[in-house]
This record gives sequence, C-alpha cells and structure tokens, in this order.
Amino acid sequence: AQSVAQPEDQVNVAEGNPLTVKCTYSVSGNPYLFWYVQYPNRGLQFLLKYITGDNLVKGSYGFEAEFNKSQTSFHLKKPSALVSDSALYFCAVRDVFSRIYFGAGTRLTVKP
Amino acid sequence: SAVISQKPSRDICQRGTSLTIQCQVDSQVTMMFWYRQQPGQSLTLIATANQGSEATYESGFVIDKFPISRPNLTFSTLTVSNMSPEDSSIYLCSLTGTGSTNEQFFGPGTRLTVL
Repeated sequence: AQSVAQPEDQVNVAEGNPLTVKCTYSVSGNPYLFWYVQYPNRGLQFLLKYITGDNLVKGSYGFEAEFNKSQTSFHLKKPSALVSDSALYFCAVRDVFSRIYFGAGTRLTVKP
Repeated sequence: SAVISQKPSRDICQRGTSLTIQCQVDSQVTMMFWYRQQPGQSLTLIATANQGSEATYESGFVIDKFPISRPNLTFSTLTVSNMSPEDSSIYLCSLTGTGSTNEQFFGPGTRLTVL
C-alpha cells in the first residue's frame, strides 16, 4: 500500500528564513509524489510533483522539493519564507490507479 | 488543465436527510474520484467513480452511505445518505489530467454542515 507521513503537525519559521516541511513515503514500485497547499477557506492548490528525473523539483510560489530515494523522503523547501506562505501543506502519493493518498498535513506559520 | 465545478458550494442539512453533490468537468476524463476532508483533518479518498460501472470504495466507505453515479465522462454525483453530524465535512471531487502532466486536479469542494 502507498502511504506518506508528515512527522510535524506544526512548523514555525521567521519571515526571510528558509523553511522545510518534512515528508516520508512508503510505496511499492516507483513513487509518484505531490505537494499541495490549502489556504484558509480556499481550495486545494497543487505545488509540485515528482514522477521521475531530477531529484530536485521546482514548483509554484518559489517552493521546491527534494526526492531522496535512500531516505524515502520528499521534503518541501523554500529558501526564504513569506508571511503569505502560512497555510496547511499536504504531502501525497499516487498509486497506479491514480488514487491519491494524503499525509496528515503540516500547518506552516511564518511570523513577521 | 481541467476546470472542475461543484454544486452546491455549501449546505446546511438536517440529521437523517440526504444531499447529492454534483461534479462537472469541462473535458472528458477517465478517472474521477471523491474525497472527504473532515474538520481539521487531512483528505481521505472515499471512492473511485467509474464510468459505466459501480464505484470502487475505499475501506471504511460503503455504497449505501455514499452512492455515486458517473453517467458520462464529464459528470459525477456523490450522495451523502442519512446524514449525521459526523458527516460534516468538505467533499471534493478530483480527476487525473491527461497527457504527460500527470497532474491531479481538485474541485473547489462542497462544505457540508449537518445539524
């Protein structure tokens, strides 16, 4: 079965500092991994995905994620956090039937 | 990219009643899915809506409670039957993009409150 884990419920960073939101995965076969963001009272927005290729994936809003096969991780990163990045972030994995399974979510708070 | 619309966007319902949520896509898609997001929780897959056959339900979800229709490649409905306050959630439909994008698109969601 495919699954992802987000070990942190909450991440707090200061504006301008780098941020990391952690995700580990457990899959059989090649992993299809995603990051989504959910702002308050707004829909789910796609940030980036890893299917194959370069381990460093660049996405929307300056976010990137690093795929690490040996550590089975897919951490979301951003070099300089903005207050507007404060939101709920979900790591997700897709199986061969295109079903998406989400992590529990990490609430990111960026303080001015 | 696909454009997904859902109706209603929100509703407040009484215990014991049923609500049908519609999902309309602006292009034909093969795979459509329904998810639930309970308050303060992550998204959970309810079922895969199969065109021309019965939906495939995930563990913990049954057809009697969440009947799904998929009459064509652009439309699906999810019914939440005999509702209780525990069914208060955001319900989202989703689809897989075609071609090389492999992106998963999500509808805006239907916010359901059961009193």
